[in-house]
Amino acid sequence: EVQLVESGGGLVQPGGSLRLSCEASGFTSSNYWMNWVRQAPGKGLEWVANINLDGSEKNYVGSVRGRFTISRDNTKNSLYLQMNSLGAEDTAVYYCTRLQASGNFYYMDVWGKGTTVTVSS
Amino acid sequence: DIQMTQSPSSLSASVGDRVIITCRASHIISSYLNWYQQKPGRAPKLLIFAASSLQSGVPSRFSGSRTGTEFTLTISSLQPEDFATYYCQQSYTTPVTFGPGTRVDIK
Repeated sequence: EVQLVESGGGLVQPGGSLRLSCEASGFTSSNYWMNWVRQAPGKGLEWVANINLDGSEKNYVGSVRGRFTISRDNTKNSLYLQMNSLGAEDTAVYYCTRLQASGNFYYMDVWGKGTTVTVSS
Repeated sequence: DIQMTQSPSSLSASVGDRVIITCRASHIISSYLNWYQQKPGRAPKLLIFAASSLQSGVPSRFSGSRTGTEFTLTISSLQPEDFATYYCQQSYTTPVTFGPGTRVDIK
């Protein structure tokens, strides 16, 4: 079964750091771009970052650039999100997603169940 | 960044109703538009990609279309399991952006 499982969420104080992990199974994650998408409580979806096949290209939404770092370890079929200088606005469920391609069209076809990050003192 | 809007923001409908949700982009995005369904407490699920291509395993009552910069998601006959929030998402350029969502609930 194709699956993504996130971990690493929790309660962290403002200004703190957290590292999220996402383990892929049922497929070879090194064949896909991967993403992090988040959803604040009661809010919509926000794309956070993505990373290419070998980790040499990374993109971020403006609000996290310079604070978050996406990375991957293809030997472990795993994706990571290092989050520093966390603020209340980063409180959300964080989803790991697979980016599928059909010709020039890209879409997120596999989603994990998410891990919850709460930033609060 | 490309801004996505959706209308309506919410709607109430009955089982068997035809439901249409509209999504617009602030810039031309060709057909680089995807639709997702999200139920409370669950991860989003891909329904439609490339504006009108049905994802494998998704019921055929779901369909997508594009007219210029306006996109629609149509549910031809609403089923009990379709009550959820629907999001459009552009994949034309980075940053990828989502619409604010349309909540479909029971009348």
